Amino acid sequence: AQTVTQSQPEMSVQEAETVTLSCTYDTSESDYYLFWYKQPPSRQMILVIRQEAYKQQNATENRFSVNFQKAAKSFSLKISDSQLGDAAMYFCAYDGPWEKLTFGTGTRLTIIP
Amino acid sequence: DTGVSQDPRHKITKRGQNVTFRCDPISEHNRLYWYRQTLGQGPEFLTYFQNEAQLEKSRLLSDRFSAERPKGSFSTLEIQRTEQGDSAMYLCASSGGLAYTLRSGANVLTFGAGSRLTVL
Repeated sequence: AQTVTQSQPEMSVQEAETVTLSCTYDTSESDYYLFWYKQPPSRQMILVIRQEAYKQQNATENRFSVNFQKAAKSFSLKISDSQLGDAAMYFCAYDGPWEKLTFGTGTRLTIIP
Repeated sequence: DTGVSQDPRHKITKRGQNVTFRCDPISEHNRLYWYRQTLGQGPEFLTYFQNEAQLEKSRLLSDRFSAERPKGSFSTLEIQRTEQGDSAMYLCASSGGLAYTLRSGANVLTFGAGSRLTVL
């Protein structure tokens, strides 16, 4: 079974600084997708960024970028120029050929003004 | 279409009672998913539908749980004889499914705000 591990239960960062959230996963598949979802205190999950495993280029969405290391099965999220609105739970998720998401336990990100 | 809607947002019930949650997905999405999320944990997969067909059920979905999507549109999740361990947030999500994945490269799920269940 696929597993997703987020080893940082909590992280904090000063506003305008950069923070990196870690994620590792375990799979025997070669073709899959990885996602980062954000869950603000209102608790609705929002997609932040996605990465297709067959693409070597790391995905980027404005201030959000990933470092995808397929051999190491690592998928970290970098948030640049952190803003107060970035405060939330961040979940790493894996989507294999069965097309259901397997989530990690999440990282709570606090932004310090 | 304003996204995925879930009702009720919060349900408080006594142990042993039955509860039902409803999810209205994005209208053009043919896949619908149910997840359960307990405090401090990530969402855990329960079941999903493609149109009206229930394609997979997790082992987490005991006999007391049943989900339906009778016309391939909205879905209901019923929990019979609730237990305190059922207290959780129940999340619904929808997606365009396989055809959308092939076209856009990923099966992106859109989540609702969730239905919080408290069993006393």
